[in-house]
Amino acid sequence: QVQLQESGPGLVKPSQTLSLTCTVSGGSISSGSYYWSWIRQPAGKGLEWIGRIYTSGSTNYNPSLKSRVTISVDTSKNQFSLKLSSVTAADTAVYYCARSITSGWFDYWGQGTLVTVSS
Amino acid sequence: QSVLTQPPSASGTPGQRVTISCSGSSSNIGSNYVYWYQQLPGTAPKLLIYRNNQRPSGVPDRFSGSKSGTSASLAISGLRSEDEADYYCAAWDDSLSGPVVFGGGTKLTVL
Repeated sequence: QVQLQESGPGLVKPSQTLSLTCTVSGGSISSGSYYWSWIRQPAGKGLEWIGRIYTSGSTNYNPSLKSRVTISVDTSKNQFSLKLSSVTAADTAVYYCARSITSGWFDYWGQGTLVTVSS
Repeated sequence: QSVLTQPPSASGTPGQRVTISCSGSSSNIGSNYVYWYQQLPGTAPKLLIYRNNQRPSGVPDRFSGSKSGTSASLAISGLRSEDEADYYCAAWDDSLSGPVVFGGGTKLTVL
């Protein structure tokens, strides 16, 4: 059974870079043909797809966040990571990592981690 | 403003059948599969329907999905109190909005 777990600081100051890591267990991140995504959800609001990395290392990002987002993978640690730069209060949200088989099809999710942007 | 449009709320009584709509365009629902997720309070979303109308193992057959043109629907029959949750549709989008777009979510209340 594949499991995902987000980790990282719960508080980030405005203008700084938000950094999160998703650790995958129960399977190798580099096996199979999967996308590894980040999705966020501000309190009381809907889901927003941030971006994804394929097992080959290629990436796709939400056009509205593309200039600030970097997603990378560390196969030796079975992890993938999110960096979001120049954060503002609008970036405060629960951040989820998820595995997808194809666009829109997320079959495994992490439990989510709350990141608050505040000074 | 979400690319896919859902009603913000829906409701029904136990045993009833309710439907939740998801409206999109030719670049997403009109040309790609639709997926549905259930999010119980305080938890991560869970895949409910994939490829328009397929249920993952373990999802009751009370849940069904359909698609027509640029719209999709999720139907829940035999409504139960534990179905009270937020429901989201998602799809692949071929335009600059993509490649993954979500609906704004529908909060289902079981009266």
